[in-house]
Amino acid sequence: GESVGLHLPTLSVQEGDNSIINCAYSNSASDYFIWYKQESGKGPQFIIDIRSNMDKRQGQRVTVLLNKTVKHLSLQIAATQPGDSAVYFCAENTGGFKTIFGAGTRLFVKA
Amino acid sequence: DADVTQTPRNRITKTGKRIMLECSQTKGHDRMYWYRQDPGLGLRLIYYSFDVKDINKGEISDGYSVSRQAQAKFSLSLESAIPNQTALYFCATSDPPRDEQFFGPGTRLTVL
Repeated sequence: GESVGLHLPTLSVQEGDNSIINCAYSNSASDYFIWYKQESGKGPQFIIDIRSNMDKRQGQRVTVLLNKTVKHLSLQIAATQPGDSAVYFCAENTGGFKTIFGAGTRLFVKA
Repeated sequence: DADVTQTPRNRITKTGKRIMLECSQTKGHDRMYWYRQDPGLGLRLIYYSFDVKDINKGEISDGYSVSRQAQAKFSLSLESAIPNQTALYFCATSDPPRDEQFFGPGTRLTVL
């Protein structure tokens, strides 16, 4: 989820378990949402996106859920693997140039 | 080859020095962005450009300037670096109508 300050929220899961990363977004006018993954020493990479006219979208091992009523977004990763260890960012966009990024959640996968 | 490249990858400089960070892309995208990342604060937009003749300030443009030399190149300058500009800097591109952004590997800048 979101955080303020120097410490990222952290999620630690066992390899093979499912992971759920949550995000609260700020703007009720946002109509496009993206999840990014950032591995150590690299730039963020697109994982999955969802438009506001949908409440669920599935990719390969990942699912994004959108609850516009409470302005909440979640990323579910099935059968989490060590390679999933990274910082995950949610981002919201109101259809213009500006994408607002959350502070990120650090996912640790225990072998 | 990487689609979005940044140079240098790491830079240590002193207060008051002028620094330029370079970004190049081979994706053919018109839109380019510069972000800064600080621990716990996510990515914040410094400047963005929708084409070669278009430059716009983001939320934290003070102390920075940019130049869009060509569709493929977008550079960020710190005219007189200060220690609180120590951060990780990312360049990104996008191609409407999709708003997905493609990021470079980042430049770690330290201002002493």
